[in-house]
Amino acid sequence: AQTVTQSQPEMSVQEAETVTLSCTYDTSESDYYLFWYKQPPSRQMILVIRQEAYKQQNATENRFSVNFQKAAKSFSLKISDSQLGDAAMYFCAYVPTSGTYKYIFGTGTRLKVLA
Amino acid sequence: DAGITQSPRHKVTETGTPVTLRCHQTENHRYMYWYRQDPGHGLRLIHYSYGVKDTDKGEVSDGYSVSRSKTEDFLLTLESATSSQTSVYFCAISQGQLNTGELFFGEGSRLTVL
Repeated sequence: AQTVTQSQPEMSVQEAETVTLSCTYDTSESDYYLFWYKQPPSRQMILVIRQEAYKQQNATENRFSVNFQKAAKSFSLKISDSQLGDAAMYFCAYVPTSGTYKYIFGTGTRLKVLA
Repeated sequence: DAGITQSPRHKVTETGTPVTLRCHQTENHRYMYWYRQDPGHGLRLIHYSYGVKDTDKGEVSDGYSVSRSKTEDFLLTLESATSSQTSVYFCAISQGQLNTGELFFGEGSRLTVL
């Protein structure tokens, strides 16, 4: 079965510092997408960054970047220059590009940003 | 923002009553999903649809049914609500590979079963 694991229920970071959130997944598929979604207190789900498995280059979006290790099935999110607005719940997600197209989510990591 | 509307946004009901949540999209996306979000469990897939009248179960489908008679509407029904179904329910849509695989979410519906 395909699974997504986020082993850090909660993380804290000082404002302007860097933090890395971990995500591992299990799949036998060779092609898939991986995502990080942010959920602030407003409850809205916001896409942070997306990675296509066939691309070796790690995705980046401004202060957000990923470390994608396909062989290790690891997909961590690095947030640089952390801001108070980054405080939120972060979810890692996976979907295969063929078959059922079911999105599987991790249990989430709550990020606190300390002023 | 993706055109996704969930209704109702908040509902309080009693155990044993039927409840229907509605998801409406204006994007003509093929795939539609219902998730529930609970502390410590993240988002868990209840049911999803890959076309009109084409649906399949997710990991927590017991006690829930769905219907999709039109592309734009995906209904989630709790035939007889239980307290364990108290949760926040999210509808989501996707075009699959046609749209970079991104999943777009509605604003969520908070259901409380007393």
